[in-house]
Amino acid sequence: QVLLVESGGGVVQPGMSLRLSCEGSGFSFSNFGMQWVRQAPGKGLEWVAVISSDGRHKYYRDSVKGRFTISRDNNKNTLYLQMDSLRPEDAAVYYCAKDHDNSGYYWFDSWGQGTLVIVSS
Amino acid sequence: DTQMTQSPSSLSASVGDSVTISCRASQAIYTSLAWYQQKPGKAPKLLLHGASRLESGVPSRFSGSGSGTEFTLTIISLQPEDFATYYCHQYYNTPIHTFGQGTKLEIK
Repeated sequence: QVLLVESGGGVVQPGMSLRLSCEGSGFSFSNFGMQWVRQAPGKGLEWVAVISSDGRHKYYRDSVKGRFTISRDNNKNTLYLQMDSLRPEDAAVYYCAKDHDNSGYYWFDSWGQGTLVIVSS
Repeated sequence: DTQMTQSPSSLSASVGDSVTISCRASQAIYTSLAWYQQKPGKAPKLLLHGASRLESGVPSRFSGSGSGTEFTLTIISLQPEDFATYYCHQYYNTPIHTFGQGTKLEIK
């Protein structure tokens, strides 16, 4: 079955950087678009970024543009989110999710368990 | 961006009841809508896509309807495991995805 395992979360000070990883298994990773979605404590789901199956197309929500970078290594079945210039409002559980399609333009049919990012001085 | 508005934000119901959750899009999204269920401390789980297509393994007491800007999620004969938070998600105006703010279904 599909398994997505995130890692890399932790406590960082404002302005610092963090890189999240998401390793996929149980499916052909290189054939699917992948997403990052976050959820601040007690809040709803917020889409963050998407990457197409081949890594050529990437899109971000406005509030993270220029600070976050989504990437993937299909040889390692791993998705990444490089988060720079972190702000307190970036604190959340970050989920990776598998898209239904290679484009990343569809629904999210599998999710990881999430990794917690805390931004605090 | 397409805004998604769910109502109500919360509701209480009893085991065996039927409930309906609404989701409204700020512009037409045809049937490019998915519903997810999330339990505390857990990842979201896909329930339906294409507004009304049940994901494999999801019980048939869940159903969805709607198109354009108005959508509903209906759960009949509520079971104890159905008490959770539900989110709608539009994927028509991609690559930017948007979620509704969530509806918390609580036991009365």
